Amino acid sequence: EADIYQTPRYLVIGTGKKITLECSQTMGHDKMYWYQQDPGMELHLIHYSYGVNSTEKGDLSSESTVSRIRTEHFPLTLESARPSHTSQYLCASSLAGSYNEQFFGPGTRLTVL
Amino acid sequence: GNSVTQMEGPVTLSEEAFLTINCTYTATGYPSLFWYVQYPGEGLQLLLKATKADDKGSNKGFEATYRKETTSFHLEKGSVQVSDSAVYFCALSGGGADGLTFGKGTHLIIQP
Repeated sequence: EADIYQTPRYLVIGTGKKITLECSQTMGHDKMYWYQQDPGMELHLIHYSYGVNSTEKGDLSSESTVSRIRTEHFPLTLESARPSHTSQYLCASSLAGSYNEQFFGPGTRLTVL
Repeated sequence: GNSVTQMEGPVTLSEEAFLTINCTYTATGYPSLFWYVQYPGEGLQLLLKATKADDKGSNKGFEATYRKETTSFHLEKGSVQVSDSAVYFCALSGGGADGLTFGKGTHLIIQP
């Protein structure tokens, strides 16, 4: 079944640790996105990619980085986690020419102590 | 730039009541419009969409009409159920932006 997956679903980690949030999709979509959702529910685009080897920064400045080596995989990395990074991170994908209709993964809830 | 404004919640209704969640937008050009729903602990699910003026999106009893003259995309349902309790997001695509522009979300609570 075509879908979009995120792991882990929940992560509690100490300050200064390096973390990678995984996102994979089996829908063959070329575009992928990372959103940060704050406790007040608002969503902000932090990274996106048009395809392999393409990565762009979104509207909200983020200390995280992303890579797109394979079409189906779009991991997000924080080199040194801080409490201000505590948030829900949502990955999404869309097909080119589809009016940007995006499909979302279940999210990763990150807590940095 | 693009922006989406939707009514703030929480909105609390009794089961079988009529629902309206207002959404207005600002964008250049001709954006596509979406309603997404988020249940507790989950990601966003696409509820319905409209890609041009006067289009009506509908799904699971929910409807919204793309009104260019009033720059609105209000969500309606004739008779809500407890299972409709969730957070609803209005969003737009286009206007020169790469991702979706979301409203702040409306928390809907349906009481039996």
